[in-house]
Amino acid sequence: AQKITQTQPGMFVQEKEAVTLDCTYDTSDQSYGLFWYKQPSSGEMIFLIYQGSYDEQNATEGRYSLNFQKARKSANLVISASQLGDSAMYFCAMRGSYNFNKFYFGSGTKLNVKP
Amino acid sequence: DGGITQSPKYLFRKEGQNVTLSCEQNLNHDAMYWYRQDPGQGLRLIYYSQIVNDFQKGDIAEGYSVSREKKESFPLTVTSAQKNPTAFYLCASSPAGKNTGELFFGEGSRLTVL
Repeated sequence: AQKITQTQPGMFVQEKEAVTLDCTYDTSDQSYGLFWYKQPSSGEMIFLIYQGSYDEQNATEGRYSLNFQKARKSANLVISASQLGDSAMYFCAMRGSYNFNKFYFGSGTKLNVKP
Repeated sequence: DGGITQSPKYLFRKEGQNVTLSCEQNLNHDAMYWYRQDPGQGLRLIYYSQIVNDFQKGDIAEGYSVSREKKESFPLTVTSAQKNPTAFYLCASSPAGKNTGELFFGEGSRLTVL
């Protein structure tokens, strides 16, 4: 069975500091994709970053990077130089290979950036 | 611009009424999805469709129905059998056939049952 776990319901970070949002996953698939989404209070879901299970390098997109540790089955999101606009819910998601049209989401982490 | 359009954005319904939420995409994606989100919670899959005229139940399909008569359209009907329908509903699509494509989301529909 596929499962995504986000153990931090809420987090605070000071503006301009870095923050790590945790995500662990469980899958028996050999090939899978890992995604992070941001959901501001408006409700829209914004795609942030993708990591493939066979990618050797950690993914980076601007201030976002994904700390991928395959053996530990973790895919933590690192946001550098936090901004007030980063305050939002963040969801980790996985797409497997057995049923590659099904996505699995974690319960989310609410990030608050303090000025 | 390409994207996913959901309507209406806000919807009020009386108990016992069916209501249909619209979802249209012009991204030429094969796969489409409906998710439900309750306040402060994650996303739960209601239904998904990988191809026209075919769809599968997700984790919480009871009280909901869908159709996929056209590639671009995947409407969701919330029936009177759904015991607690007040929620935020998100439609999404993705390219099928590989596990590298991300989900593209609409802006959501907020349903309130009075």
